[in-house]
Amino acid sequence: GQQLNQSPQSMFIQEGEDVSMNCTSSSIFNTWLWYKQDPGEGPVLLIALYKAGELTSNGRLTAQFGITRKDSFLNISASIPSDVGIYFCAGQLWDSNYQLIWGAGTKLIIKP
Amino acid sequence: NAGVTQTPKFRVLKTGQSMTLLCAQDMNHEYMYWYRQDPGMGLRLIHYSVGEGTTAKGEVPDGYNVSRLKKQNFLLGLESAAPSQTSVYFCASSYSAGGPFLPYEQYFGPGTRLTVT
Repeated sequence: GQQLNQSPQSMFIQEGEDVSMNCTSSSIFNTWLWYKQDPGEGPVLLIALYKAGELTSNGRLTAQFGITRKDSFLNISASIPSDVGIYFCAGQLWDSNYQLIWGAGTKLIIKP
Repeated sequence: NAGVTQTPKFRVLKTGQSMTLLCAQDMNHEYMYWYRQDPGMGLRLIHYSVGEGTTAKGEVPDGYNVSRLKKQNFLLGLESAAPSQTSVYFCASSYSAGGPFLPYEQYFGPGTRLTVT
């Protein structure tokens, strides 16, 4: 089936550092979504992107819809302890019936 | 407004037993989905529904059945549980196309952790 390559798989960072992660595919997407999952919880939507080239912010989070429509990036500025968790990208293919393709997740860990 | 709720939260089954997971949403969403999440993997779609009385297969439907008798509820059944079905199951819902809301933004429940021994 279709795949999204999400990287890195995990990140160990210091509090206050900026974080970058991305998702890439060989397929074209109409929509990119970024979710965060806390332990024992369901994923929560952070940012939705609907146009190629779109740059959208949600507080310290910024996400971009790649111009080729095959990738997306998420940046977190000045990380804080509550940013720990797993971040997932999800894309909706141009010819899908509202199904989403999911990345495997990026686990963010903040060093004490 | 509870959003998406799932019952039960935890369950342990023996191989061959059956069970039903219940998902309920109070956002009047047309679309509902069942996913499974395994360690180190993204979410994989099991079945989905685009409206009351309709269901469709997702990426990994084998061993599962679903029903959508009411708009607000989506049931996932395991007829004969196998150890390979040990996983965390998530239900999600979203709006449909054609209205002012965007259908791709899925809202998730808290999950059901299922262990099959």
